[in-house]
Amino acid sequence: DTGVSQDPRHKITKRGQNVTFRCDPISEHNRLYWYRQTLGQGPEFLTYFQNEAQLEKSRLLSDRFSAERPKGSFSTLEIQRTEQGDSAMYLCASSFAEVYEQYFGPGTRLTVT
Amino acid sequence: QKEVEQNSGPLSVPEGAIASLNCTYSDRVSQSFFWYRQYSGKSPELIMSIYSNGDKEDGRFTAQLNKASQYVSLLIRDSQPSDSATYLCAFFQDRGSNYKLTFGKGTLLTVNP
Repeated sequence: DTGVSQDPRHKITKRGQNVTFRCDPISEHNRLYWYRQTLGQGPEFLTYFQNEAQLEKSRLLSDRFSAERPKGSFSTLEIQRTEQGDSAMYLCASSFAEVYEQYFGPGTRLTVT
Repeated sequence: QKEVEQNSGPLSVPEGAIASLNCTYSDRVSQSFFWYRQYSGKSPELIMSIYSNGDKEDGRFTAQLNKASQYVSLLIRDSQPSDSATYLCAFFQDRGSNYKLTFGKGTLLTVNP
């Protein structure tokens, strides 16, 4: 059983560029979450999918952010027109619907210069 | 009032001692509580979950929950240098929350050989 995987692990981009991250959840996990973590803080919820349906988005997720989970498998998180304030670790987690425990992937560290 | 507060660190204990990590939360309807361990530069790793009042033991770890006092703690017995990490307390706000986790800022634990 492989864990949650994320790609890329690190991304450096210039302000104004678009970036896309991918998350592959644990096989058969139907819930998928995206969180963002900045230095010295705990992860903050961004958005949540149950299967392919995006059921909730945080107010942290501005219009520049979009997430998809086609076919209820992997998910992508896109940030358009990146800003320096977007620099953070972007974490993906997954869980079964009947089980509360969420398991995190290794994260994608984004640096916007 | 912050939703989750963890005892301010850093916490330093000698090898072999008991490390005690504490967390208070403000939402009385919170049902499920979790402790994650996060090594520097890595993603959070789930180490304990607790849903009912009382103690739950798993190896060297014991989680304690007191819903009346809105308090959850983690005890690490026989602390090892490999336990040195940031420990994050997290919970679900309520059953209608889509089970998104709310995290504290974490407590940095250092176990000295």
